[in-house]
Amino acid sequence: DAGVIQSPRHEVTEMGQEVTLRCKPISGHDYLFWYRQTMMRGLELLIYFNNNVPIDDSGMPEDRFSAKMPNASFSTLKIQPSEPRDSAVYFCASSPSLGEPQSEQFFGPGTRLTVL
Amino acid sequence: QQQVKQSPQSLIVQKGGISIINCAYENTAFDYFPWYQQFPGKGPALLIAIRPDVSEKKEGRFTISFNKSAKQFSLHIMDSQPGDSATYFCAASSGGGFKTIFGAGTRLFVKA
Repeated sequence: DAGVIQSPRHEVTEMGQEVTLRCKPISGHDYLFWYRQTMMRGLELLIYFNNNVPIDDSGMPEDRFSAKMPNASFSTLKIQPSEPRDSAVYFCASSPSLGEPQSEQFFGPGTRLTVL
Repeated sequence: QQQVKQSPQSLIVQKGGISIINCAYENTAFDYFPWYQQFPGKGPALLIAIRPDVSEKKEGRFTISFNKSAKQFSLHIMDSQPGDSATYFCAASSGGGFKTIFGAGTRLFVKA
């Protein structure tokens, strides 16, 4: 298995532009997570899905952020409009719902977003 | 109450020494405590995890010690190697572990 795939790996954009981050989870995993990592705030959970349904989006910072999972093999995190304070590394992770340790999350390589 | 407090922020250890990273939590509903290891430019990866029904878990050179009454747990890396240099995150979750709270991370540097 190729692991969790994220694209793009790096994104540089200007303030006000729309940004779309993409994730392909590991096949067969029922859970998908979006995290944001910054020096100041560490690793923060933004939202997670179970069987393509959003379960908890309490970590989404504001209405500028939205996430979708149209099918089991694809998810997007969109920021519109983007702001410099959104600059961070965004990670996608997936997890199986069965087995031990049931809670292991498999992280992708991340997307480094820079908003100028 | 959802926080997981991790210390130290950074740690420098000689090759062959013991690295110790500590974490504390408040929420007694947490029932799964993983440690993740992250190398520069990579995503975090699960290193070792423990559930509160045991006080210690060892995998190779890595050991988690868990103190339920004190609501603390720690990672010990024995015989630390330069290849262990990375950022380590403790974490906690409950109810199946799908909402995981991460500590702030500890940057470990092992000197050769």
